[in-house]
Amino acid sequence: DAKTTQPPSMDCAEGRAANLPCNHSTISGNEYVYWYRQIHSQGPQYIIHGLKNNETNEMASLIITEDRKSSTLILPHATLRDTAVYYCIVRGLYGQNFVFGPGTRLSVLP
Amino acid sequence: DTGVSQDPRHKITKRGQNVTFRCDPISEHNRLYWYRQTLGQGPEFLTYFQNEAQLEKSRLLSDRFSAERPKGSFSTLEIQRTEQGDSAMYLCASSLFLSTDVITETQYFGPGTRLLVL
Repeated sequence: DAKTTQPPSMDCAEGRAANLPCNHSTISGNEYVYWYRQIHSQGPQYIIHGLKNNETNEMASLIITEDRKSSTLILPHATLRDTAVYYCIVRGLYGQNFVFGPGTRLSVLP
Repeated sequence: DTGVSQDPRHKITKRGQNVTFRCDPISEHNRLYWYRQTLGQGPEFLTYFQNEAQLEKSRLLSDRFSAERPKGSFSTLEIQRTEQGDSAMYLCASSLFLSTDVITETQYFGPGTRLLVL
């Protein structure tokens, strides 16, 4: 599975959009981009995943660049409860387990 | 709520003791995963089951670790002769895997069991 690079930390003002970048320059054609988040002392929570088209659900939007070498997770109106570590994971068709990096620690500030 | 559950949520034990953790997956999920997470790091894969069969084990899973999923439903993870380095959060996840041709598998995690070895 391709490796991902994320900034170690980010701040966002409450009510504003949080844009979390992820670089996956070695991604191959059949690999999906997954996003999870982990709020302190809880298990990781699934957010969204995509292959090449942009995706949106009730939690977030996932924007994948045309060359698929990077993506952005967008939380449209961040709240204090969105403070968490966000993990970007690239997973292949036959990849079984998720390989988690250190993620991005997002702090939503009042 | 029918999410993944884990028991106990916290465990404190003395070095050398054996501990066992239980994971109950989401009903109808055929895959079950175990991960370990140490402070400040992302979760690391340990092993996974498809139904009753243990299909993959990480090299992190030493001989002191054993996992079972006897009836293809709940799973247990046992650590024998615990060491202080085993102190971590042990996470369980489950998924519904339908086909090797279709990526529909999303893993859903439980709350974890936090182990402290004194």
